[in-house]
Amino acid sequence: DARVTQTPRDKVTEMGQEVTMRCQPILGHNTVFWYRQTMMQGLELLAYFRNRAPLDDSGMPKDRFSAEMPDATLATLKIQPSEPRDSAVYFCASGSEGNTIYFGEGSWLTVV
Amino acid sequence: RKEVEQDPGPFNVPEGATVAFNCTYSNSASQSFFWYRQDCRKEPKLLMSVYSSGNEDGRFTAQLNRASQYISLLIRDSKLSDSATYLCVVNRGNTPLVFGKGTRLSVIA
Repeated sequence: DARVTQTPRDKVTEMGQEVTMRCQPILGHNTVFWYRQTMMQGLELLAYFRNRAPLDDSGMPKDRFSAEMPDATLATLKIQPSEPRDSAVYFCASGSEGNTIYFGEGSWLTVV
Repeated sequence: RKEVEQDPGPFNVPEGATVAFNCTYSNSASQSFFWYRQDCRKEPKLLMSVYSSGNEDGRFTAQLNRASQYISLLIRDSKLSDSATYLCVVNRGNTPLVFGKGTRLSVIA
């Protein structure tokens, strides 16, 4: 079964540290999304790429978050410096235009 | 106001019961509609798409009312395995999916 792969699965880090999350989309999917999920806000779109080009990152705090897609098989989401309020589950998802999207298992981030 | 609103629940129902979830969306330009299911500590997964004429998949029935901007999901003969959070999702064409916060369902033996 093709699936979206995310690493790390769980991460506990200290405030101020850099966190990098990685995502391998499903082969052949041209659109990649980063979502963040918290109890308070639910699933929120942070950024997304189509054919590796960033289309919208307005949901992302620009001063500390950055998203890149260095090649078609890798998307990254970086937080530097991390803060306790960044604690959440970060999901990567991929899809093709007009079709459903598939989520990875998520990266569970705790910043202490 | 959130673009997609759902009753958070929880809905606690006995096995075999029929349960219905509702969802409203604010953007009349929304074109596609879905229900996703999310189990505890798992990723969201597509349960079913929602079509204008309404559609059924086994024990699950989804309906859309564009005039009222309202989507529903009906689950008949609830099973313990139906316990999960159900996310209402809308799409405005060539844009990312917008998710509701979800409705939590617990089916009790």
